[in-house]
Amino acid sequence: AQSVTQPDIHITVSEGASLELRCNYSYGATPYLFWYVQSPGQGLQLLLKYFSGDTLVQGIKGFEAEFKRSQSSFNLRKPSVHWSDAAEYFCAVGAGTPDKLIFGTGTRLQVFP
Amino acid sequence: DAGVTQSPTHLIKTRGQQVTLRCSPKSGHDTVSWYQQALGQGPQFIFQYYEEEERQRGNFPDRFSGHQFPNYSSELNVNALLLGDSALYLCASSLGQGKQFFGPGTRLTVL
Repeated sequence: AQSVTQPDIHITVSEGASLELRCNYSYGATPYLFWYVQSPGQGLQLLLKYFSGDTLVQGIKGFEAEFKRSQSSFNLRKPSVHWSDAAEYFCAVGAGTPDKLIFGTGTRLQVFP
Repeated sequence: DAGVTQSPTHLIKTRGQQVTLRCSPKSGHDTVSWYQQALGQGPQFIFQYYEEEERQRGNFPDRFSGHQFPNYSSELNVNALLLGDSALYLCASSLGQGKQFFGPGTRLTVL
């Protein structure tokens, strides 16, 4: 069965530091992969997605993610974190289609000034 | 463009009652998906509606049902509420299988 694992429940970084959020998936074929961000009282916002092609994907707000098939990973990175990046981040895989999503349990990012 | 809107924002019900949640998709979108997000968890796919028909369904019991109207808006109905149904219910809309836009959700509390 398809699944998504986000090993880090909570991450704290200083503003200006680099960030990497981990995501591992389980899926038999090439997956549709997504990263979403959720701020309190807000809906989920799509940061970036990978369907095929270049394994390094650029997204909004300066985020990028790299698809590594050999490691079944799709880690999210940002070179310099801003205080406004504090939120909950979810990795998701499309279960056979890109619109039926299986989400991980999320990583809560806290940013200190 | 108003984006995806959901109503009500919050709702409190007691066990055994029935509830209806509503979703208006983003302008131009024809597909609506519903997700349940329990506290501290990621969203779980409930079902998806397209052309007024349920097209895909996740692992949820028949107590969860839905409807899509000709204007593409959608309702989620939950019967015989259980304490475990307490969650944030998210609606997402898309044009076919394109990029999904999520609404802010309806917070359901079952007492």
